[in-house]
Amino acid sequence: DTGVSQDPRHKITKRGQNVTFRCDPISEHNRLYWYRQTLGQGPEFLTYFQNEAQLEKSRLLSDRFSAERPKGSFSTLEIQRTEQGDSAMYLCASSLDRRNTGELFFGEGSRLTVL
Amino acid sequence: QKEVEQDPGPLSVPEGAIVSLNCTYSNSAFQYFMWYRQYSRKGPELLMYTYSSGNKEDGRFTAQVDKSSKYISLFIRDSQPSDSATYLCAMTPSGGNNRLAFGKGNQVVVIP
Repeated sequence: DTGVSQDPRHKITKRGQNVTFRCDPISEHNRLYWYRQTLGQGPEFLTYFQNEAQLEKSRLLSDRFSAERPKGSFSTLEIQRTEQGDSAMYLCASSLDRRNTGELFFGEGSRLTVL
Repeated sequence: QKEVEQDPGPLSVPEGAIVSLNCTYSNSAFQYFMWYRQYSRKGPELLMYTYSSGNKEDGRFTAQVDKSSKYISLFIRDSQPSDSATYLCAMTPSGGNNRLAFGKGNQVVVIP
């Protein structure tokens, strides 16, 4: 499989619990992005990595959110002390930086439901 | 005002009709304009991209960009039931880091 892979596809949790999502990008892609999408809305940028460096974070990314890409390959997005407002689809995407065209390859997303 | 405005109203058309979608934007720095297609419970996939102003055609799909009006369009000719999906416009500045600003999306249903 050469696409972007995300795990788990769906997570149901209780308010206050921590959750972690994993993303495996396309192998030769050095850029990795996290977006969040709520029902009826377009994806909103959260953060991006070039290799292992986290280069930009959105103001949407509160202190309860942390993302890592320790070896420049897969990435994790952790949400601590989840709130009902965190319920959304978390999308990971990857790209090659030399193709600065806006072409992102998205995974199928990890859907979070906070009860 | 959001950077990208896309009227999110659903659109139902009969098979074979032309589908017309559009977005407006406020950031003059945007240079790359894209349309992504998103099927239910899937991630978005790139459908078309255009650099700066002009038209681009790919099969049944045509993307238009009018930078002077800050307006982009997507036309789908001879629409098929398999075109039923949500269509998201997206854009990014020239030399940007691929951080995309998305519209809300239009849900299109093509009725056989």
